[in-house]
Amino acid sequence: NAGVTQTPKFRILKIGQSMTLQCTQDMNHNYMYWYRQDPGMGLKLIYYSVGAGITDKGEVPNGYNVSRSTTEDFPLRLELAAPSQTSVYFCASTRTGLGSTTEAFFGQGTRLTVV
Amino acid sequence: QQQVKQSPQSLIVQKGGIPIINCAYENTAFDYFPWYQQFPGKGPALLIAIRPDVSEKKEGRFTISFNKSAKQFSLHIMDSQPGDSATYFCAGGVGEYSGGGADGLTFGKGTHLIIQP
Repeated sequence: NAGVTQTPKFRILKIGQSMTLQCTQDMNHNYMYWYRQDPGMGLKLIYYSVGAGITDKGEVPNGYNVSRSTTEDFPLRLELAAPSQTSVYFCASTRTGLGSTTEAFFGQGTRLTVV
Repeated sequence: QQQVKQSPQSLIVQKGGIPIINCAYENTAFDYFPWYQQFPGKGPALLIAIRPDVSEKKEGRFTISFNKSAKQFSLHIMDSQPGDSATYFCAGGVGEYSGGGADGLTFGKGTHLIIQP
């Protein structure tokens, strides 16, 4: 089972460049999430989606955009990369909302460096 | 989002010892408290989770202790092994049975655990 797949695994961007981080899941999960992980700071929610066509902001959405045209895919877009966006990005999905009996499945992460 | 405070930031324990990682939460609406384990270069993976209607949950060598009145919970690893060396995250969230949960979990900052042989 593939689970949650993220691409690319690594990327170096120059300031001002744009890129899309890809995320796809094959578990038919409705809910998908994007987190960023910075050293010593845990995981912070960027955006989430409760189904195709529905997205909403998390704790740290500035500088990012998302779309959810299908159940499987939830890409994260950086329009004007800044050094503050250097981080490891994780995509996750759950069958329904994050709840008492629902496990979140994470991808392996994308390590992004903005120089 | 209200915080989940996790301590210690790092922890070194000898093989066979019992590392304990503590978390405290603020949001009284939280009713789902998972622990995630993350190995280098990998995404976090669910280790064990608890609901606040019980004070303890065990799965294998991993135990969560929960104190609802103090708004604290902790992870204990019995008979720790070098293979348990990883970063551990606690988290809190509003469960689906409470009508919420769509906006994700609030994570602690993580504990880097090293089990020495």
